[in-house]
Amino acid sequence: QQKVQQSPESLIVPEGAMTSLNCTFSDSASQYFAWYRQHSGKAPKALMSIFSNGEKEEGRFTIHLNKASLHFSLHIRDSQPSDSALYLCATNTGANTGKLTFGHGTILRVHP
Amino acid sequence: DMKVTQMPRYLIKRMGENVLLECGQDMSHETMYWYRQDPGLGLQLIYISYDVDSNSEGDIPKGYRVSRKKREHFSLILDSAKTNQTSVYFCASSSQGEQYFGPGTRLTVL
Repeated sequence: QQKVQQSPESLIVPEGAMTSLNCTFSDSASQYFAWYRQHSGKAPKALMSIFSNGEKEEGRFTIHLNKASLHFSLHIRDSQPSDSALYLCATNTGANTGKLTFGHGTILRVHP
Repeated sequence: DMKVTQMPRYLIKRMGENVLLECGQDMSHETMYWYRQDPGLGLQLIYISYDVDSNSEGDIPKGYRVSRKKREHFSLILDSAKTNQTSVYFCASSSQGEQYFGPGTRLTVL
């Protein structure tokens, strides 16, 4: 069964800092890797996803995938107070069942 | 605008009562999901539905059942609710891997 672990559990950074969130997974056949963001009291919402090794940048956000290391990460440049949220990483299983396994989340707080 | 809706948004029930949570989507997605979210535990998959009357257990199906009679509608049923089913329940639908979540139902079982 796919195991997904996130680190750190929580993080406090000053406004303008670079933030890095990490996710490890156990199924080497996984094909879809994503980060979801959930503001307090709201629904999770997909932030970014990647399907192959390498990097993908969208605005201040970069997702990096290293399948050999069973690791992917999210980097937030110039962190803003509005980035404060719960960040959930997710990946599918190699069996392509449509199921995603989510990590337990990283709580990010960006203080002004 | 793509949308997943959930009803009700808040619900308080007594132990042993039956609970019906409803979910709708307007995107004609084939696959829909029910999750529960508890503090520190992320999202746990209860059931997945691949289409009408094609449902499969997730990771924590015990104490729950589902119904999907129309593609756009997916229900979660708790027969004889228990206090440990107090949680926030999210419905989602998916396309191309990405999941779209509803606003959630906060269920309290007393």
